[in-house]
Amino acid sequence: GQNIDQPTEMTATEGAIVQINCTYQTSGFNGLFWYQQHAGEAPTFLSYNVLDGLEEKGRFSSFLSRSKGYSYLLLKELQMKDSASYLCAVVDSNYQLIWGAGTKLIIKP
Amino acid sequence: DVKVTQSSRYLVKRTGEKVFLECVQDMDHENMFWYRQDPGLGLRLIYFSYDVKMKEKGDIPEGYSVSREKKERFSLILESASTNQTSMYLCASSFGTDVQPQHFGDGTRLSIL
Repeated sequence: GQNIDQPTEMTATEGAIVQINCTYQTSGFNGLFWYQQHAGEAPTFLSYNVLDGLEEKGRFSSFLSRSKGYSYLLLKELQMKDSASYLCAVVDSNYQLIWGAGTKLIIKP
Repeated sequence: DVKVTQSSRYLVKRTGEKVFLECVQDMDHENMFWYRQDPGLGLRLIYFSYDVKMKEKGDIPEGYSVSREKKERFSLILESASTNQTSMYLCASSFGTDVQPQHFGDGTRLSIL
């Protein structure tokens, strides 16, 4: 079967750095998305990786290793507004999007 | 600013009722999607549509149907609501060449009593 694993919940301190991991086992791979979802709101697109390596976008970076079936989202200089759920999703060989359950990130002052 | 609008943020219905969830997008997107989101589970695709009057089953279509009479509107229908359909429902849309959703609505939290 297809599976996306990410931690259920993480806690970090304002101003710090946090890394949210995502591992996947899917039938084929055509890219990996990260979304941010604040409570009661729509998911919003953060990043898309299809090649190995690190993609940096301001305070957020996303890393992909296709050989390891692994990605992480790195958030730097954490702000209180970064408290949200972070969803990992993989595009499989049929170009269908397989979603992880999300990681709830709690930022403490 | 692009917009996907779902008609209701919160909805309470009774078992056996026919329920309509409406979604409208203003970006002239070809593709529209309906997902449900439950705690501890990833988003699960119910149905999607890649053109007017076209529809495709997703992973969990049982108990649901959809309607796409106009390009901007995609309706999700619960034919006879059941308590296990209590969930958060998310609508999304994308351009024709992007088979994955790009923009999401804020969701409808549906409770079936």
